[in-house]
Amino acid sequence: KAGVTQTPRYLIKTRGQQVTLSCSPISGHRSVSWYQQTPGQGLQFLFEYFSETQRNKGNFPGRFSGRQFSNSRSEMNVSTLELGDSALYLCASSRRSGTSTDTQYFGPGTRLTVL
Amino acid sequence: AQTVTQSQPEMSVQEAETVTLSCTYDTSESNYYLFWYKQPPSRQMILVIRQEAYKQQNATENRFSVNFQKAAKSFSLKISDSQLGDTAMYFCAFMYDYKLSFGAGTTVTVRA
Repeated sequence: KAGVTQTPRYLIKTRGQQVTLSCSPISGHRSVSWYQQTPGQGLQFLFEYFSETQRNKGNFPGRFSGRQFSNSRSEMNVSTLELGDSALYLCASSRRSGTSTDTQYFGPGTRLTVL
Repeated sequence: AQTVTQSQPEMSVQEAETVTLSCTYDTSESNYYLFWYKQPPSRQMILVIRQEAYKQQNATENRFSVNFQKAAKSFSLKISDSQLGDTAMYFCAFMYDYKLSFGAGTTVTVRA
């Protein structure tokens, strides 16, 4: 079974631009969560999508948004990029079935560099 | 809000020996999940082991085992027979309502 895939793997943008990251979950997984990893703040939860609806949101500004499609694929968008948005963005998928199978499995991440 | 604390920033262990990583958490919830993930230099986050809070039995997964003390809110990971491929950063994570909260991580280096 294929794992979680994220595209692109690397991105370089300049301040003020916007960026879109994509995540395809494991087949059969309907929940997609996004996390930001930086050396200073560590791993922080951004948001979770399930059945095309945002179910949870972390403490990030409105410049960070996302969506989920009917095939469970998810995109994350960051507008008006700032230097501090440079990070590894990790996507994770799970079944979200209310059982012990709710483990989140991670993709390889997208490394975003803002210049 | 849930907080997860890993008090050991770095640990070093000789190949074939055992190392134990500590993790404590703070929550007012009673039903939750706990995980250990490893992140090798490739940055791929890999599940090591998971524990359901309602289960008293400690989880084991091959050379990896946990010591779960619910009352003390402690969740340590023991790596037995350490191998060079175990070199990675290890994160303790708490999940409630499908949201993971992570500790700061412990870098484990296995020496040949």
